[in-house]
Amino acid sequence: GESVGLHLPTLSVQEGDNSIINCAYSNSASDYFIWYKQESGKGPQFIIDIRSNMDKRQGQRVTVLLNKTVKHLSLQIAATQPGDSAVYFCAEKERDDYKLSFGAGTTVTVRA
Amino acid sequence: AAGVIQSPRHLIKEKRETATLKCYPIPRHDTVYWYQQGPGQDPQFLISFYEKMQSDKGSIPDRFSAQQFSDYHSELNMSSLELGDSALYFCASSLRDRGLNTEAFFGQGTRLTVV
Repeated sequence: GESVGLHLPTLSVQEGDNSIINCAYSNSASDYFIWYKQESGKGPQFIIDIRSNMDKRQGQRVTVLLNKTVKHLSLQIAATQPGDSAVYFCAEKERDDYKLSFGAGTTVTVRA
Repeated sequence: AAGVIQSPRHLIKEKRETATLKCYPIPRHDTVYWYQQGPGQDPQFLISFYEKMQSDKGSIPDRFSAQQFSDYHSELNMSSLELGDSALYFCASSLRDRGLNTEAFFGQGTRLTVV
């Protein structure tokens, strides 16, 4: 279950496969981006962040890619596990701003 | 590690009543954010504070106010509650490190139900 480029509100992925979640942002002044995971009834959980002077950053099983030219952000999850089922949000922030703006979430469902 | 603490976790109020939500940021964090999240919606920014001063304002109704105290905890005061105010309210905190943004961590939220 991959979707490249296009933001989808839902994503169903087979356990063990890789997932790609996309996010488009509109503010060209944004210079800091965060991916959050939110489980039902819980607060958003920080996954990974990236600054605008980078185009790729890797964490444990996750990679964030930033394409400033087309204002696009993606989160790749390797070897998706059942515990990865959640809603994923991207958030953006300007350098001198104190507002973290969220994009539309993507609900990821992992099939056993 | 200490996280963002919000209280209460659940709150039930009647229409036209007042509610106060509290947020205790991660120690040494200098920025606090408040968000409102309706069912199936993405979090909507309400207001933020940096070093105890209001720093940015989003879609916060005039019936709501917030402040940050000397110990950095913050309170969101909501008056004349309406049914539409029922939502999850999240607080987040972050630290501006040498002028750069750093990760914002969220609390577990307060679920407000207005009846």
